[in-house]
Amino acid sequence: ETGVTQTPRHLVMGMTNKKSLKCEQHLGHNAMYWYKQSAKKPLELMFVYNFKEQTENNSVPSRFSPECPNSSHLFLHLHTLQPEDSALYLCASSLRQQSTDTQYFGPGTRLTVL
Amino acid sequence: KQEVTQIPAALSVPEGENLVLNCSFTDSAIYNLQWFRQDPGKGLTSLLLIQSSQREQTSGRLNASLDKSSGRSTLYIAASQPGDSATYLCAAEGNNQGGKLIFGQGTELSVKP
Repeated sequence: ETGVTQTPRHLVMGMTNKKSLKCEQHLGHNAMYWYKQSAKKPLELMFVYNFKEQTENNSVPSRFSPECPNSSHLFLHLHTLQPEDSALYLCASSLRQQSTDTQYFGPGTRLTVL
Repeated sequence: KQEVTQIPAALSVPEGENLVLNCSFTDSAIYNLQWFRQDPGKGLTSLLLIQSSQREQTSGRLNASLDKSSGRSTLYIAASQPGDSATYLCAAEGNNQGGKLIFGQGTELSVKP
């Protein structure tokens, strides 16, 4: 399988649940990104990892916890979420975290928090 | 703080029309400006990237222009087709902000047969 994949594609969880989103890229990239896309709002960058090191945390609440065990995999661990966290969560990767490198996006995980 | 705005939020046109999507940004100190396409239930696909030193980029029926001084970019789609129906997003990247894209809210385009 090629490109950027995300699982699950859809997730419904209660506010007390703990779940994880997974992103995997088969492009040989070294930078990976988490974005949040809420209804009627612009896409927001959440976290960036470059060569497995976190380089950006865009003031994201601690109930979202990212993990990047290697350059091919990125996780977003979720706990004690709020209904306003319901959104489409997109993962992206690029060769490196620099302006000349195009970001390739996965299809997203549609998250609903009840 | 960079802000990116796209007008209109939605656009419906008959097949075959030429159309223009608009993107404006508040901070002209950008490194590049990208246009993406997003289909329902799918991720984003990069269409065109314009470096700050460039004025425009072309790919097939798509042409994107950049005017840093006025803080504007346009995406021109020639001879629109139903398959062009999607949401189009523009994103600005500031100087020394490698990989950190600031997105507009998008324009939802519908091309009617």
